[in-house]
Amino acid sequence: DTEVTQTPKHLVMGMTNKKSLKCEQHMGHRAMYWYKQKAKKPPELMFVYSYEKLSINESVPSRFSPECPNSSLLNLHLHALQPEDSALYLCASSQISGGGNQPQHFGDGTRLSIL
Amino acid sequence: AQSVSQHNHHVILSEAASLELGCNYSYGGTVNLFWYVQYPGQHLQLLLKYFSGDPLVKGIKGFEAEFIKSKFSFNLRKPSVQWSDTAEYFCAVIFSGGGADGLTFGKGTHLIIQP
Repeated sequence: DTEVTQTPKHLVMGMTNKKSLKCEQHMGHRAMYWYKQKAKKPPELMFVYSYEKLSINESVPSRFSPECPNSSLLNLHLHALQPEDSALYLCASSQISGGGNQPQHFGDGTRLSIL
Repeated sequence: AQSVSQHNHHVILSEAASLELGCNYSYGGTVNLFWYVQYPGQHLQLLLKYFSGDPLVKGIKGFEAEFIKSKFSFNLRKPSVQWSDTAEYFCAVIFSGGGADGLTFGKGTHLIIQP
């Protein structure tokens, strides 16, 4: 079992809906990440939070809005998504070190389908 | 641009065969190197990592990898594969020297082990 918990596991939503994906870790990690993984493709980085502050946004459309309420929680708010946004959304966390070499721990993901 | 290449997208082996999966990256600076495995229906799991020191690193489940700086390579090996090694394997790189940064993944290798 992974130590990064993502909810829900599956989500089906219409293009006009607003929903949120949640991620939680209790490993004391101070970096948290959102990745998007399309079928048969590698994960692609979306956002990085470092000490609860957004440090990297990989030019993600504004219909995806991340939030880090505290060091254990990471949310991804979704609004007005498009069918091409259907994918597996992965959350990960890691410690932060000067060498940038800490491995990232991944959750099981939320499988999102946009109707 | 910084990138990660995996040479073999689909590999089929028989049990007890030896495995080598290639991974190359394009970047002349500091890198942190990882191999992740994704078993069917499961989350991404870290197999091994390299950031400094002995270029031959050992990971879980009998896997090892060798970092060859002059070739910008980080190939994954296992002397004798088992049916349970059937999975998707991703080489991943952090292209930075510090802090929290996202992983850049290769396209993945789908490994099938035939009993």
